[in-house]
Amino acid sequence: QVQLQESGPGLVKPSETLSLTCSVSGGSTSGYFWSWIRQPPGKGLEWIAYVYDSGFTNYNPSLKSRVTISVDTSNNQFSLRLSSVTAADTAVYFCARIMSGLAAFDIWGQGTMVSVSS
Amino acid sequence: QSALTQPPSASGSPGQSVTISCTGTSSDVGTYKLVSWYQQHPGKAPKLMIYEVSKRPSGVPDRFSGSKSGNTASLTVSGLQAEDEADYYCTSYAGTNNWVVFGGGTKLTVL
Repeated sequence: QVQLQESGPGLVKPSETLSLTCSVSGGSTSGYFWSWIRQPPGKGLEWIAYVYDSGFTNYNPSLKSRVTISVDTSNNQFSLRLSSVTAADTAVYFCARIMSGLAAFDIWGQGTMVSVSS
Repeated sequence: QSALTQPPSASGSPGQSVTISCTGTSSDVGTYKLVSWYQQHPGKAPKLMIYEVSKRPSGVPDRFSGSKSGNTASLTVSGLQAEDEADYYCTSYAGTNNWVVFGGGTKLTVL
């Protein structure tokens, strides 16, 4: 079955750019929407962005100015870049697959903790 | 502050039923039949339990059910079991720009 795995640095300095990759195994990125969601320690979930296999994207308006999401169908992975990070960006970052047309996340990665600190 | 409002906590004894509410507005829950519910155990990724208000993915017990009335969606867990103790989050489609909004989460305790 399809599995997702996040990867990237666990520590990022303030004002720098956070970069994460989600690798898709057991299936293809083609034909699906893919998303990033984050969860600050002890807090709730926040949708960040999604990308389709064609490269079509949509962003949370509150993060749009700092976020870039992209997909690499040849390597079956998609990525997140969040610029100008602050301590408020410290969170567990999850990648997830979206059920087509249903605005629901049916498959999730295990999540990766990213801390923003000097 | 989350876009959708959930009670911070809920509880019930084994075998009982508990209902968790998720209140939005006419811009999300009240207009679209795209409400989902997720279960999250500590240190784990969320798991989809309900989509399209009341549909269950394969493998989710039929003890979990969803409904919607006006601007409020609800998740009911019947026949509570110890393993149901977790955080539960609702989401709703909210249009092209906001796309999906989350509730703040409800911690369900099985007494």
